[in-house]
Amino acid sequence: EVQLVESGGGLVQPGGSLRLSCAASGFTFSSYWMHWVRQAPGKGLVWVSGINTDGSTTNYADSVKGRFTISRDNAKNTLYLQMNSLRVEDTSVYYCGRAGGWDGSSWVSLFDFWGLGALVTVSS
Amino acid sequence: DIVMTQSPDSLAVSLGERATINCKSSQSVFFSSNSKNYLAWYQQKPGQPPKLLIYWASARESGVPVRFSGSGSATDFTLTISNLQAEDVAVYYCQQYYNTPNTFGQGTKLEIK
Repeated sequence: EVQLVESGGGLVQPGGSLRLSCAASGFTFSSYWMHWVRQAPGKGLVWVSGINTDGSTTNYADSVKGRFTISRDNAKNTLYLQMNSLRVEDTSVYYCGRAGGWDGSSWVSLFDFWGLGALVTVSS
Repeated sequence: DIVMTQSPDSLAVSLGERATINCKSSQSVFFSSNSKNYLAWYQQKPGQPPKLLIYWASARESGVPVRFSGSGSATDFTLTISNLQAEDVAVYYCQQYYNTPNTFGQGTKLEIK
């Protein structure tokens, strides 16, 4: 059974840092692109960042570029999101998602499994 | 960035009736070389993560009831829920994965009338 379990969320002051983790199990972690998607309280889904299978390629939303860093440890089956210079508007539930879509030539950002999410609250 | 716009923002449908949710993209998400529409639908119930329902605009994810169906192409798409059940109360999102950043619609809240 595929499982994704986020951890590391919490309350942090503006300008602070936090690192989220997503522990994966039930599938060959190293074979899939992985992503972070966030959802502010009462709002919609917003893609944050994605990373390829070996960590050599990363993508970021403009809103977090230069502040957030996505990484992975395939030996530990774990995805990370290092969040620096946090802002009030970063307050959200952060989900990790597996990109399970294949279009015949490449993986696509189609999220077939999601974690339960980690709440990050940025407030003074 | 491709902007995804859903309509309506909310709707109320009677049990056993049909619910229709629309999604429009600001540019085509159809890739002609493989004839695929890079469009997915997700269902999110309160306090839960999203769940994939439909991908490639019309392919139903394993385990999703047949009353959920997707249609459309290029820039206009529809999610149809036939024979609405009480457990279908949720917020539904469309998503394009044609390019980066992948983007979601604002969501449509479905309630029982």
